[in-house]
Amino acid sequence: GDSVTQMEGPVTLSEEAFLTINCTYTATGYPSLFWYVQYPGEGLQLLLKATKADDKGSNKGFEATYRKETTSFHLEKGSVQVSDSAVYFCALGNTGFQKLVFGTGTRLLVSP
Amino acid sequence: DVKVTQSSRYLVKRTGEKVFLECVQDMDHENMFWYRQDPGLGLRLIYFSYDVKMKEKGDIPEGYSVSREKKERFSLILESASTNQTSMYLCASSLSETGGTETQYFGPGTRLLVL
Repeated sequence: GDSVTQMEGPVTLSEEAFLTINCTYTATGYPSLFWYVQYPGEGLQLLLKATKADDKGSNKGFEATYRKETTSFHLEKGSVQVSDSAVYFCALGNTGFQKLVFGTGTRLLVSP
Repeated sequence: DVKVTQSSRYLVKRTGEKVFLECVQDMDHENMFWYRQDPGLGLRLIYFSYDVKMKEKGDIPEGYSVSREKKERFSLILESASTNQTSMYLCASSLSETGGTETQYFGPGTRLLVL
């Protein structure tokens, strides 16, 4: 079945550092890919998404490109802030199925 | 602004109790979902519903049931709570126009402790 694998955390960075969180997937067909973020004490919220190969999703300085050839959707940000400290989830949704498949989450800790 | 609310943020129950977790969405979404979130395991789908009175099992339905009598409300029921059901429970909703490509909107979660 469909699955998502993302790098284990925590990822610890200093403010203004470059961020990459790796995400790869296994799926049949042409899934949509998502990054969700969970701030402390809150539920998940959509950060960005891409619905087809070579699409780039972007929001709040974060970017991820849907790479079908490498089955990847890595999350990047050029300069992280303390307020970016959160847990990031990569997810996959396939046409015809209502549910999303989530990765295990990666905790990001940004220090001043 | 989209909104998914859950009846409790924190809940403490005893083993064997019947537990009800309520979720309400105000976006007229067809689909609603219940997940549990555990460290190192990510989010796992318990049940989902694609219409009133319709439900489907997710990946880990054992020990749970659900009810959806109205479009905006989706309840998760633990028939006889056990300590291994101590977890964070997240509710979500989405439109159903394009199946799994739709964004899911999440509530704040209910942290349940079963003693």
